[in-house]
Amino acid sequence: AQTVTQSQPEMSVQEAETVTLSCTYDTSESDYYLFWYKQPPSRQMILVIRQEAYKQQNATENRFSVNFQKAAKSFSLKISDSQLGDAAMYFCAYRSYYGGATNKLIFGTGTLLAVQP
Amino acid sequence: DSGVTQTPKHLITATGQRVTLRCSPRSGDLSVYWYQQSLDQGLQFLIQYYNGEERAKGNILERFSAQQFPDLHSELNLSSLELGDSALYFCASSARQGADYGYTFGSGTRLTVV
Repeated sequence: AQTVTQSQPEMSVQEAETVTLSCTYDTSESDYYLFWYKQPPSRQMILVIRQEAYKQQNATENRFSVNFQKAAKSFSLKISDSQLGDAAMYFCAYRSYYGGATNKLIFGTGTLLAVQP
Repeated sequence: DSGVTQTPKHLITATGQRVTLRCSPRSGDLSVYWYQQSLDQGLQFLIQYYNGEERAKGNILERFSAQQFPDLHSELNLSSLELGDSALYFCASSARQGADYGYTFGSGTRLTVV
């Protein structure tokens, strides 16, 4: 069974600085998707960024980028120029490439990011 | 607004009772997923429906059931409620069975069992 591990329960960053959130996963599959979701105090789950395992190029969305290391099964999120609105819980998630019973998203336990003014 | 509508936003009920949580997926999405978020278990997948049919089941208790109706809205029924069922229940939708672009989540229903 696949697992997702986020080893940093809490992180803090100064406004305008850069922070990296870590995520590792375990799977025997070769094709899969990885996601980062943001959950602000409103509790809404917001998709931040996604990565297909078959793509070597790291995904980027504005100030958010990932460092995807397939061999190491690592998927970290880098937030550049941190803003107060980035303060939230961040979840790393895995989904198998194949459908059926493996459609589900498997989430890590989350990292609570605080942004200091 | 994500386009996924969940009602009610908050629900307080007593142990032993039954409640129904409702989800309307984003327009055009055929797949609906239910997740439970609790402090001790994190985000857990419960069940998935695709175009009215059950497609995948996770750690859903026998006291819980769900269905998806012809208009694609879905309901999650929780019965014989226990204190431990208190959690945030999310519904998410996607256009197809798979979620290549991730799911779109609703804002959740906060269930408190007292």
